[in-house]
Amino acid sequence: GNSVTQMEGPVTLSEEAFLTINCTYTATGYPSLFWYVQYPGEGLQLLLKATKADDKGSNKGFEATYRKETTSFHLEKGSVQVSDSAVYFCALSWGGKLIFGQGTELSVKP
Amino acid sequence: DAGITQSPRHKVTETGTPVTLRCHQTENHRYMYWYRQDPGHGLRLIHYSYGVKDTDKGEVSDGYSVSRSKTEDFLLTLESATSSQTSVYFCAISDTGNTEAFFGQGTRLTVV
Repeated sequence: GNSVTQMEGPVTLSEEAFLTINCTYTATGYPSLFWYVQYPGEGLQLLLKATKADDKGSNKGFEATYRKETTSFHLEKGSVQVSDSAVYFCALSWGGKLIFGQGTELSVKP
Repeated sequence: DAGITQSPRHKVTETGTPVTLRCHQTENHRYMYWYRQDPGHGLRLIHYSYGVKDTDKGEVSDGYSVSRSKTEDFLLTLESATSSQTSVYFCAISDTGNTEAFFGQGTRLTVV
């Protein structure tokens, strides 16, 4: 069946460091791919998305490119801020079924 | 903010009792989802619905049932709660299933 695998956390970075969170997926067909973010005590909210191969999703300085050949959708940001501290979830949707990875906790220190 | 409300927000119940969680939306979205969130497991899909009376199982459906008798409400029932069902439960809605999903604030359920 369809599944999403993310790098394990927690990830701890200093402010202004470069961020990469790896995400790979297994799917039949061509799913839509998403990154969601969850701040403490809240529900998830969409960060960015890509709906077909080679699409690049971007938002708030975060980027991810849909790579069909490597079945990956890695999240990157050039310079993280303390306010980026949160849990990040990679997800795929196929046929209306929305599946999430296990989440990666990011902690950014001043 | 998307109009999605979960109730109750917190609940403590005893092992063996039935529990129903409610998700209510005002967006007229076709898809509704129930997830549970546990440390180390991320968000796992329990059941989802793609229309009134149309539901399907997710990854961890054992011990749970759902019903959707109208577009705006999606109910999750634990027929006989167990301690392993202690978790935070999230409802989500989506217009087409391949677009952005909007999440409720979550329900913290403790089974003692």
